[in-house]
Amino acid sequence: GAVVSQHPSRVICKSGTSVKIECRSLDFQATTMFWYRQFPKQSLMLMATSNEGSKATYEQGVEKDKFLINHASLTLSTLTVTSAHPEDSSFYICSARRVGRADPYTDTQYFGPGTRLTVL
Amino acid sequence: SQQGEEDPQALSIQEGENATMNCSYKTSINNLQWYRQNSGRGLVHLILIRSNEREKHSGRLRVTLDTSKKSSSLLITASRAADTASYFCATVAGYSTLTFGKGTMLLVSP
Repeated sequence: GAVVSQHPSRVICKSGTSVKIECRSLDFQATTMFWYRQFPKQSLMLMATSNEGSKATYEQGVEKDKFLINHASLTLSTLTVTSAHPEDSSFYICSARRVGRADPYTDTQYFGPGTRLTVL
Repeated sequence: SQQGEEDPQALSIQEGENATMNCSYKTSINNLQWYRQNSGRGLVHLILIRSNEREKHSGRLRVTLDTSKKSSSLLITASRAADTASYFCATVAGYSTLTFGKGTMLLVSP
């Protein structure tokens, strides 16, 4: 259980286009999903926290108009990179936190396989 | 912002040897978690240790936590080539999100 998928796994696009990445929790409901960005050989940097039915919370330095997040259901969050530029090329990873885990100290997140974005 | 700092940054060992990775952090935490990432893939949760725990085992994994030193270690015993991956520690403070360290790249040679 606790499988998270991402689609697409890899995308190449031209500069100026928009790219949508989907994150789905396949066998559980997730009120909260997270979007991370990872540059080669570096750690994951949290971009935003996506809450079902409400606006996403963005980390400092992340442009909310650039990275649009929608969490329309308990199993789906989307990240849209608008007007992508080569510097947006990166590995984007989502994760999901299960619904119903009342213990705040067991804060396991389940990660998707990631999406490799290359902007030409 | 990153809280954890793993060391070493890279570790190369032979199959059958033990691998030890360390993680240090700066603020008080509720729990600390270790994740594995194979190249170009997502993260796999390995183990979670709460702030009131000192040691935890899971198969060939042993994690220790020293809150007085704000440090943790991950020991992989009898390593295998399939253990080759990057390993990250991540901390949770309060009700906040995961904060990842920089990671250790482990290479296990046959």
